[in-house]
Parts: sequence; C-alpha cells; structure tokens
Amino acid sequence: QSVLTQPPSASGTPGQRVTISCSGSSSNIGSNTVNWYQQLPGTAPKLLIYSNNQRPSGVPDRFSGSKSGTSASLAISGLQSEDEADYYCAAWDDSLNGSWVFGGGTKLTVL
Amino acid sequence: QVQLVQSGAEVKKPGASVKVSCKASGYTFTSYDINWVRQATGQGLEWMGWMNPNSGNTGYAQKFQGRVTMTRNTSISTAYMELSSLRSEDTAVYYCAREDGDSINWFDPWGQGTLVTVSS
Repeated sequence: QSVLTQPPSASGTPGQRVTISCSGSSSNIGSNTVNWYQQLPGTAPKLLIYSNNQRPSGVPDRFSGSKSGTSASLAISGLQSEDEADYYCAAWDDSLNGSWVFGGGTKLTVL
Repeated sequence: QVQLVQSGAEVKKPGASVKVSCKASGYTFTSYDINWVRQATGQGLEWMGWMNPNSGNTGYAQKFQGRVTMTRNTSISTAYMELSSLRSEDTAVYYCAREDGDSINWFDPWGQGTLVTVSS
C-alpha cells in the first residue's frame, strides 16, 4: 500500500492527451513539491518532472506537471509509442522523521 | 556526464547480508546526498534511506531501521548500502540515486540497478 495514490493503469492512442493523477495528504504533497519519474521497460527510473512542473533539459514539452492542494497530475500531450512506460510520483513526507514516499506507479499503454 | 554505476547482481541465502556499491562520476561526490530505493519484481518503488557523503550522516526508512547501513568511501567516490538478515521478501532491484536541488529536491540521476536475489 503506497502512501501516494495513483491509478494502476492509463491508456491512449497516438496523438491523444492523457493525464495521470497522484493523491496524497497534508504531510507530503500538501506541504512539499512533487516529482515524477518515468521508467521504461527494463530500465532504471528517470527524472521527468521536478518541483511540481519543471522539466529537466532534454524532456519534451509534451510532458507537464501540476499540483493543487494534496493532489498532483502529470499530463502527456501528443502521445507517442515511446511514452509507453511506468510513471511514478514522489514527494517528501514530513511525518515521523521524514521520508521520501512514492505512488504505486501507473502503467501507460499506447494503443 | 554525471553517472552512478552500481555493482553486479548478487544471490544470497536467507539470513545473510548483502553490500551494494554505487560509484559516482562527473561531479563532486561529497556535494550531493545519495539515496537508495528498491523495487521488487513487478512492484513499485520503495525508499530505503539517504546518506550525506560529506558528513556520513544517514537517515533510514522506519521499515529498514536496524537492518540497513549506508556508508561511503570518499577517496573513490563510492557509496554503499548493506542490508542484513535477508529474507525472500528482500529480493528486488536496488537503485542508488543522487539527490539534487537545494531545499526543493529530486533524484537525478539513478544508477542502473543491482538485482539481489534471496533464495535458499
């Protein structure tokens, strides 16, 4: 059971726009920024979005992030076949001694 | 370029310990915290803890307290994660990741991962 809640799956056809949600609480998303990671099959996770809505250099502007209250979203526009991957949200959680928490991951299928 | 290269796959028996290494290159090793994250087959990401390579200070997830030890050798820019009293549920890919940012942080880059298999 992950601290952050994501839908287990999402899908879309090439060219479509899809969104992936990430729900948390006041101790994590509500008080800290959200990062998103993309994990292509058989590879290590890669930073996709940091600080809620910032893209590292090299990440296409088709990817965007947003945050409101205790929830965050990742949007992918102009969906491409190479976007098929697992996506994870993450945030620092202030409870207890503090820890990083992740969502359970969303498997994106490009139909 | 900034890179983290991890040690190779390990097979261990229940009750044993495993020590995974993570060699950093392309940046000043002591300037960024190293975190460890694991992923069981077909499962999500699970944070294990962090280490400050400069001071050696560490912080561990409650779940792993007493079983995990994170250390470093600054002379060779390498971080280590040792997990003891292994059980079958510890079978997973273990990743190290550099924690970037100032007060607002993120993990970038990640190591390639090390598969640890616990089996009798």
